Amino acid sequence: DIVMTQTPLSLSVTPGQPASISCKSSQSLLHSDGKTYLYWYLQKPGQSPQLLIYEVSSRFSGVPDRFSGSGSGTDFTLEISRVEAEDVGVYYCMQSLHLPRTFGQGTKVEIK
Amino acid sequence: EVQLVESGGGLVQPGGSLRLTCAASGFTVSSSYMSWVRQAPGKGLEWVSVIYSSGSTYYADSVKGRFTISRDNSKNTLYLQMNSLRADDAAVYYCARDRPPLRDWGQGTLVTVSS
Repeated sequence: DIVMTQTPLSLSVTPGQPASISCKSSQSLLHSDGKTYLYWYLQKPGQSPQLLIYEVSSRFSGVPDRFSGSGSGTDFTLEISRVEAEDVGVYYCMQSLHLPRTFGQGTKVEIK
Repeated sequence: EVQLVESGGGLVQPGGSLRLTCAASGFTVSSSYMSWVRQAPGKGLEWVSVIYSSGSTYYADSVKGRFTISRDNSKNTLYLQMNSLRADDAAVYYCARDRPPLRDWGQGTLVTVSS
């Protein structure tokens, strides 16, 4: 199975400041079709997870442009340009290159 | 508007069975890839199973041979039949629509396994 490792596991951010979460996979997530199957989800407190970013860097419908994803191969980053109070929750990366789909451990983001 | 509504969770004894239901609206289940994902209390997300539009099914090793994913096209509904339940199966179970993966999620249904 592909192992997904996120760092840090927790993050406390001042509103308006940037935040960055790293996700590393145990093998490349680049498919022969040229796509890289790496996704980011946010689970807000008491809610179901929601898709933020698909295929490394494409924002899903309705996701604010302060969220951006980057990376390639095995190293990926989710960045929030200016954190807002509504961004608190646990962020997960996930790979779907191979089954089973696997998630990172999650990064809890709090507001200072 | 896409909606996914899970039901069927509850308290079950170890070794028992439950069938979870995910009623979908706003799209066609049979034309979609549909997944189950679970989250044990206070833990992270764990992918459980997927059914493709072709009908092909895949499972996490932890549930293979015990869980069965299926759908009823006439009811636009997804199911997860869970047999031989163990304590470590206790979790909130979410159904989710794919394309891209896990784009839409239900609210989840809680499964508790205890004697």
